[in-house]
Amino acid sequence: QKEVEQDPGPLSVPEGAIVSLNCTYSNSAFQYFMWYRQYSRKGPELLMYTYSSGNKEDGRFTAQVDKSSKYISLFIRDSQPSDSATYLCAMSASSGAGSYQLTFGKGTKLSVIP
Amino acid sequence: EPEVTQTPSHQVTQMGQEVILRCVPISNHLYFYWYRQILGQKVEFLVSFYNNEISEKSEIFDDQFSVERPDGSNFTLKIRSTKLEDSAMYFCASQTGGGFQPQHFGDGTRLSIL
Repeated sequence: QKEVEQDPGPLSVPEGAIVSLNCTYSNSAFQYFMWYRQYSRKGPELLMYTYSSGNKEDGRFTAQVDKSSKYISLFIRDSQPSDSATYLCAMSASSGAGSYQLTFGKGTKLSVIP
Repeated sequence: EPEVTQTPSHQVTQMGQEVILRCVPISNHLYFYWYRQILGQKVEFLVSFYNNEISEKSEIFDDQFSVERPDGSNFTLKIRSTKLEDSAMYFCASQTGGGFQPQHFGDGTRLSIL
């Protein structure tokens, strides 16, 4: 079973729509959950991160974590054409060595159509 | 805003040659990482580095790979004898210390092995 599963899309929505992106995972040791945005030919750009279960909101973006279901989501409200990018979920657990290697999903390619 | 910078943006090398990828992490960061992304696949962890030594490494990071922080600013990844399957995007990331902190990524080096 793959550690982190993410539907690669592509996902196409009209401008102003609410976008829902999600990932499932199998490793119950994951404690930290991140969403990165990646534009073409660029590195991953951190959008949000959360610790354990719950919700976190930042402007038009809301991240949700449900550890009991091993399921995380990112919601984008009032989507804009500039939100068109690939969205990567990433997760981490404490290894005891002090560093926190990230395990990524494959990414969902989102297009927001004007 | 401080950022992670990587050079070169694109490196073309003959199979069997040595290659060095360079990164300048954010200046007050203490943990450094290399990840790679083969075309169409997930971003994968290679190695983490703290206090001038490797903290963790993945099974991808075999004897052909090495990392170094030769001075106070650069962080390098060396591949001793490149193979065709080393062709990928290589991302450097850094984070501050003291428990979990989000990692910030550079824009990557595209490595093409001929």
